[in-house]
Amino acid sequence: RKEVEQDPGPFNVPEGATVAFNCTYSNSASQSFFWYRQDCRKEPKLLMSVYSSGNEDGRFTAQLNRASQYISLLIRDSKLSDSATYLCVVNKSSYKLIFGSGTRLLVRP
Amino acid sequence: DTEVTQTPKHLVMGMTNKKSLKCEQHMGHRAMYWYKQKAKKPPELMFVYSYEKLSINESVPSRFSPECPNSSLLNLHLHALQPEDSALYLCASSQEGVNTEAFFGQGTRLTVV
Repeated sequence: RKEVEQDPGPFNVPEGATVAFNCTYSNSASQSFFWYRQDCRKEPKLLMSVYSSGNEDGRFTAQLNRASQYISLLIRDSKLSDSATYLCVVNKSSYKLIFGSGTRLLVRP
Repeated sequence: DTEVTQTPKHLVMGMTNKKSLKCEQHMGHRAMYWYKQKAKKPPELMFVYSYEKLSINESVPSRFSPECPNSSLLNLHLHALQPEDSALYLCASSQEGVNTEAFFGQGTRLTVV
């Protein structure tokens, strides 16, 4: 079993749609969680950290469920510019970030 | 714009060449990383430096040799690479501690011929 698992997609949605991604992790001792976004042939960029209480940043909402060991990302009112690969990242221990394989999102006009 | 700068952006090298990748950050971060990313795959951790000392080596072949001259700089020396080593090499940095996010440079796209 992979340490961090994501549905690879692609998720193909129209502009304005709401889309949700889930990610599961295997190590219950994992301590911190992030969503990164990566555009084609570019570096990963931090989208948001994920806190136990859940957090929101504009159209983006992240949730963490430690009991079930999954993390979610909700994108509301999708824009064309949201098209990218979304990487779930888990901090297994100090300095050891483990990346999921990514979920590809395509937003169409 | 990324505050982690990598040079060069692109590199083509032969299997007998020696080359170096460079990374610089001025955010005062004390941890710096090298990741390797193949097409359509997630980044894979290679090395971590913490306070200028190598703290993690993910069983990387010795043809890759990291160096941390000071807290702002990280190098990756390459020698006798194979074509399968062609990939995007990403440098990242972070504050110390488990709850801190990492910031990535734009990467060096390496092709070994």
